[in-house]
Amino acid sequence: QVQLQESGPGLVKPSQTLSLTCTVSGGSISSGSYYWTWIRQPAGKGLEWIGRIYTTGSTNYNPSLKSRVTISMDTSKNHFSLNLKSVTAADTAVYYCARDVGAGMENWFFPWGQGTLVTVSS
Amino acid sequence: QAVLTQPPSVSGAPGQRVTISCTGSSSNLGAGYDVHWYQQLPGTAPKLLIYVNSNRPSGVPDRFSASKSGTSASLAITGLQAEDEADYYCQSYDISLSGFYVFGTGTKVTVL
Repeated sequence: QVQLQESGPGLVKPSQTLSLTCTVSGGSISSGSYYWTWIRQPAGKGLEWIGRIYTTGSTNYNPSLKSRVTISMDTSKNHFSLNLKSVTAADTAVYYCARDVGAGMENWFFPWGQGTLVTVSS
Repeated sequence: QAVLTQPPSVSGAPGQRVTISCTGSSSNLGAGYDVHWYQQLPGTAPKLLIYVNSNRPSGVPDRFSASKSGTSASLAITGLQAEDEADYYCQSYDISLSGFYVFGTGTKVTVL
């Protein structure tokens, strides 16, 4: 079965770029009609969808984050990545990656990675 | 940024039935887009509970059920158990310029 694991620095300085990787095991990210998604959750708060990438490399982003977000994939390493630039304390959150399942727009997320906490602080 | 509204909390005694509402608008649930539900146990990642309005993934107990009508959806837990104490989120697609995938505000279920 497919499993996802986030990795990356747990501490990022303000104004710098947050970079995370999601490694997929148990299946290839380039096979099947799946999107691969990033979601975040500030401590004690709700979930916020960040963006997704398709097997072709096509992306969609949350309009509120679009100017700062880039999602890419490396099929040779079977992982996809999140870059969020010009971070502030408001970007401190647990970041999750997930497989985006469905026919295109009305999709759901299954499975999820365990999440990784990123703190933005000097 | 959540555009799906849920009650902050609901509670019930073991064995009781509780329901969680998820209220949207004409740009998401009212436009006919499907709703999905997630359970987040304390300190863990969210887990898919219901997909496409009322479908349970393999392994999810049948005491979890859900429905959707118009601009609203609801999740019901019958025969409430201590292990059901968690946060629950609805999720859908939003067609507005400020949307795409949107989550509900989340509901904390407490087992008394």
